[in-house]
Amino acid sequence: NAGVTQTPKFQVLKTGQSMTLQCAQDMNHNSMYWYRQDPGMGLRLIYYSASEGTTDKGEVPNGYNVSRLNKREFSLRLESAAPSQTSVYFCASSEETRGFEPQHFGDGTRLSIL
Amino acid sequence: AQSVTQLDSQVPVFEEAPVELRCNYSSSVSVYLFWYVQYPNQGLQLLLKYLSGSTLVKGINGFEAEFNKSQTSFHLRKPSVHISDTAEYFCAVSLIGGGADGLTFGKGTHLIIQP
Repeated sequence: NAGVTQTPKFQVLKTGQSMTLQCAQDMNHNSMYWYRQDPGMGLRLIYYSASEGTTDKGEVPNGYNVSRLNKREFSLRLESAAPSQTSVYFCASSEETRGFEPQHFGDGTRLSIL
Repeated sequence: AQSVTQLDSQVPVFEEAPVELRCNYSSSVSVYLFWYVQYPNQGLQLLLKYLSGSTLVKGINGFEAEFNKSQTSFHLRKPSVHISDTAEYFCAVSLIGGGADGLTFGKGTHLIIQP
């Protein structure tokens, strides 16, 4: 099983460019999440989708948009990239959002904004 | 709102020595507790979780953690570490009954194993 697959693995952008980070899971999970990881900051939630057809803001949503395309796929879009968005981005999924389900993570997308 | 504090950003330990990584949390309601491990250039993997019952929980790779409600702590331990345990370790909580936004993470502890 692939689990959670993120593409691309690495990307370099110029300030002002746009791009979409893709995420797909093959575990039939209902809930999906986007996090960013910065040195010394742990993981911070950007957006989440509790179920297909719903999305909500997390702790740090500014500058991002998301789309829950179907049950498997959850994409993250940077409309106008800024150097402050240089980070490692992780997608995760869980069966539900009842609290006790562990989240399963992809290997991350390393994004640099010049 | 809940929060997680990992008291050490970095813990150096000699190979085959014991280790304890500390985690404290704050929440106005009861929580579930998790430890995740992140190896270099990889995503996070679940090490262990506390949901209810026995306060001592065992996880993968010989790790265990003890939930202490009065101290609001969930410290991670291993009696003898190996070079392969070098990684970043994250403590996390989620609300019992669910919160749609899932997990709240600590800032991580980098475990460095010295030969």
